[in-house]
Amino acid sequence: KAGVTQTPRYLIKTRGQQVTLSCSPISGHRSVSWYQQTPGQGLQFLFEYFSETQRNKGNFPGRFSGRQFSNSRSEMNVSTLELGDSALYLCASSLLGQGTGELFFGEGSRLTVL
Amino acid sequence: DAKTTQPPSMDCAEGRAANLPCNHSTISGNEYVYWYRQIHSQGPQYIIHGLKNNETNEMASLIITEDRKSSTLILPHATLRDTAVYYCIVRQNRDDKIIFGKGTRLHILP
Repeated sequence: KAGVTQTPRYLIKTRGQQVTLSCSPISGHRSVSWYQQTPGQGLQFLFEYFSETQRNKGNFPGRFSGRQFSNSRSEMNVSTLELGDSALYLCASSLLGQGTGELFFGEGSRLTVL
Repeated sequence: DAKTTQPPSMDCAEGRAANLPCNHSTISGNEYVYWYRQIHSQGPQYIIHGLKNNETNEMASLIITEDRKSSTLILPHATLRDTAVYYCIVRQNRDDKIIFGKGTRLHILP
């Protein structure tokens, strides 16, 4: 069974640009969560999607957005990039309402903003 | 905000039991305690969770105090591969969002 797949793994952008990151969850998982990880702030919750609807949202500005498609794949977008957006962006999928409530994480997309 | 407090770092000798404490003094009756760990440059990995009773699986044991205000994750025979950041999390149910704190950086010493 394939795990959570995130693309791209690494990318470099400049200030003011926008970026789109993609996440393919484990087959059958309909919940996808996104996290930002930086050395200073640790792992911070961005948002969660379930059945194409945003179910939970963290405390990030509106420049951070996401969506989920009917096949449960999810994308997150960051517009007007700032230097502080440099981080590892992690995606996790889960089986809502079933099992342990365990999150399965991908390897992450490492974004560098210059 | 995270509702747990953990020591920032701990050392443990290889082959010994690693006991990682977590304080969650404001936990409410319907909140579960979850543990995850993150090995360098990888996504976090689920370890174990519990509500009131002690739990054990192939990776670790979870001991929750009777008043539920604290818990301890036990790795029975630590190896170098257990070097990671360990996160203790409380969540209302298995469908609640997971908020990570700073975690404990565990160093396994050869």
